[in-house]
Amino acid sequence: AQSVAQPEDQVNVAEGNPLTVKCTYSVSGNPYLFWYVQYPNRGLQFLLKYITGDNLVKGSYGFEAEFNKSQTSFHLKKPSALVSDSALYFCAVRDMTGFQKLVFGTGTRLLVSP
Amino acid sequence: KAGVTQTPRYLIKTRGQQVTLSCSPISGHRSVSWYQQTPGQGLQFLFEYFSETQRNKGNFPGRFSGRQFSNSRSEMNVSTLELGDSALYLCASSLGQKTYEQYFGPGTRLTVT
Repeated sequence: AQSVAQPEDQVNVAEGNPLTVKCTYSVSGNPYLFWYVQYPNRGLQFLLKYITGDNLVKGSYGFEAEFNKSQTSFHLKKPSALVSDSALYFCAVRDMTGFQKLVFGTGTRLLVSP
Repeated sequence: KAGVTQTPRYLIKTRGQQVTLSCSPISGHRSVSWYQQTPGQGLQFLFEYFSETQRNKGNFPGRFSGRQFSNSRSEMNVSTLELGDSALYLCASSLGQKTYEQYFGPGTRLTVT
């Protein structure tokens, strides 16, 4: 079965510093990977996806993610964090057995301090 | 384009009652998926509909059901509510099978007392 793991419950970073939110995956076959962000009392917002192609994927709000097949990782990155980036971040993999079904990680809370 | 809308946004029900939640996908999107989000279990897939047909179902009891209408709007129903059904229920829409991004609504916060 497809799965993703987010090893950190929380990541703290100072505004202006680079940030990384980690995600590793376990899939059979080629992975379709996603990052979503959730702000308080809101639904999930799509940030970016990896389907195929370049290992560095650029997404919304200045975020990017690096797909690493040998390490089975798909870490989310941003060169310079903003206080407004503070939110809950979810990594997800598309379940290959069923169409649009996404399997989510447990989420990582990002806290950017001024 | 308007985003995914879900109604109601908040709901309080009593144990044993039933509830119906509604989701209107982005115009032109034919696939609607439902997820349950709780602090303990995280985000879990409930089911997916495409062109009025259920294509996939998660590991939830039969008390959870859904349907999709010809205009792609979807409803999910939970019968005989239990305290553990308290959660944020999220609906997501996408164009269809060959597209990958899903766009989520704001969710319906269900509280069962």
